[in-house]
Amino acid sequence: QQKVQQSPESLTVSEGAMASLNCTFSDGTSNNFRWYRQHSAKGLEVLVSIFSDGEKEEGRFTAHLNRANLHVSLHIREPQPSDSAVYLCAVRNSNNRIFFGDGTQLVVKP
Amino acid sequence: DMKVTQMPRYLIKRMGENVLLECGQDMSHETMYWYRQDPGLGLQLIYISYDVDSNSEGDIPKGYRVSRKKREHFSLILDSAKTNQTSVYFCASSPGQGNTLYFGAGTRLSVL
Repeated sequence: QQKVQQSPESLTVSEGAMASLNCTFSDGTSNNFRWYRQHSAKGLEVLVSIFSDGEKEEGRFTAHLNRANLHVSLHIREPQPSDSAVYLCAVRNSNNRIFFGDGTQLVVKP
Repeated sequence: DMKVTQMPRYLIKRMGENVLLECGQDMSHETMYWYRQDPGLGLQLIYISYDVDSNSEGDIPKGYRVSRKKREHFSLILDSAKTNQTSVYFCASSPGQGNTLYFGAGTRLSVL
């Protein structure tokens, strides 16, 4: 079964400094990757989707995918305190099953 | 306005009582999901529904059942709730399978 692991578990950055989050997956046939954000006690919202190696930018959020290394990352440019949340990586395998990582808790300090 | 609505938002039940969690979506999505989220365990898939009356077990279906009689509505039922079913439950929908999931705000269930 697919394993999706995120690192770090928690990350604190200062407002304006780049935040980088990592996600590794185990199934090399995975073909569809998304990053979601979850503010406290709320549902998840999708930030960026990526389907091929390289990078995909959505506003201040950029995803990088390297399928050979089984790795997808999220970079947040100029993070703000309102970006403080849990960020979850979601990986879809070739059977269309979606697997989530456990999340990275991001704190952005003013 | 694309929305997934969960009711109720908060629920307290006693062990052995029946629980009904409801979810609605206004996007005509075929696929709907129920997840539970627990600290340290992340999001775990309970059931997935591919359309009306077309439901499949997820990773942790034991103790749960679902009902989908209309495309826009998906219910999660706990018959005789147990204390270990205390959790936050999320409903989600997606167009087709494995595409972007749209989540509800969650139901926080406490079983005492």
